[in-house]
Parts: sequence; C-alpha cells; structure tokens
Amino acid sequence: TQLLEQSPQFLSIQEGENLTVYCNSSSVFSSLQWYRQEPGEGPVLLVTVVTGGEVKKLKRLTFQFGDARKDSSLHITAAQTGDTGLYLCAGQLYLLMNTGNQFYFGTGTSLTVIP
Amino acid sequence: NAGVTQTPKFQVLKTGQSMTLQCAQDMNHNSMYWYRQDPGMGLRLIYYSASEGTTDKGEVPNGYNVSRLNKREFSLRLESAAPSQTSVYFCASKRNTPYEQYFGPGTRLTVT
Repeated sequence: TQLLEQSPQFLSIQEGENLTVYCNSSSVFSSLQWYRQEPGEGPVLLVTVVTGGEVKKLKRLTFQFGDARKDSSLHITAAQTGDTGLYLCAGQLYLLMNTGNQFYFGTGTSLTVIP
Repeated sequence: NAGVTQTPKFQVLKTGQSMTLQCAQDMNHNSMYWYRQDPGMGLRLIYYSASEGTTDKGEVPNGYNVSRLNKREFSLRLESAAPSQTSVYFCASKRNTPYEQYFGPGTRLTVT
C-alpha cells in the first residue's frame, strides 16, 4: 500500500474550470511537496509546505497543508491547457530519528485540460 | 548548468543481462536518489545516498545495487535483469536545505 494516496487518479476538465487534487495519509509528515511532471520528463518541484495549516499560492495554484500534517490539497483556478500533466505529492515522514533524507511519493493525478 | 543528467535514455535488456544506469549532478548536492516509476504507483524509492560514501535502502531495493562514486555521481546496477524491472528510472539530487529534489530526465528500461 502507498503511504500517500492521491485522488482523483485521472481528471479531465474544460479550460476555465476549477479543480482540486487531494493527497492523503494516515501518517504525519514534516514537509510535503507538490511536483508536476510532463510526458518524457522528470518531475519538477512546484511548492513545499512545512507548517500545519499552511497555505501557499503560486499564481492560479493554491496549496494547503492539513492542520495535522497528514494531508494536502492542490487547487487550480481557471485551468489552462498548459496545466495538463501528472501532479505528484511527496513527503518526508515525521520521525524522531528521521534524517530528512527519505521521500515518499503519492500515486499521482493525471490532469488533462481540454481547450 | 546541466543539473541532473542520466545515461542512457533508453535501454532494452534480455532477462538475466546486467547493466548500470549512470547519474551525475553538478549542483554540489550531498544527497542523491534513485526512483522507479510505474503506472498508477507514482515514484518509489530504490536507494538513496545522504552523502558521499553512504548508501541506504529505500522501499524497493531488491534486485538492485548502487555506488556513490563521488559527490557528483550515483550509479544504479541491475545484476540480473527481470521483466518486473521494466520501468522508468529517475535519479534525483537534493539541496542542502531539507526539501527540494531535482530530477533527471529518466531512463526508460524494458526487460524482455
């Protein structure tokens, strides 16, 4: 089983619509990242959140870290065709002995924005 | 500034053959990682190296070995390839602040 579960797995929407992608776990994370991956390329970091309840905005993208640091969401306002891609969440577990070097990735959300 | 580079980009192996995937970074990062990506499973950590001279197992290390040759280079070796190792392999390095990983373009490996 994956430590981080993302939903939905696939999402197809019209340009201009809003959407939310969820990243959930039963474990506590010391930090959580969101990446976007284009076909044939490696993931590219979008944002890192580290404080429970934290909200970060990147243009039309809004990222939230849950109060208990077990979940996160990515909200896109007025989606554009350029937002098409695979969105991945990843986190570092909060452990007393955690050196902060191991990351766990979510299952991914494949977003298609139709013109 | 090349970032993280990986070779080869594509490889086809027959069951039982061996090969080494190469990774290099020019960002002076201490930590380096090898992941595999399979449909519907996101990225899974194979091995990582927190610093030159150290390596640790990740979630799925069986069938793989790694070498941290120096601070720049981190290689992944398949001693006897199996069809279950067909995947896309990504190398990444991490900044010395805790959070940010930078990924290479990936190696697409098919084992027949």
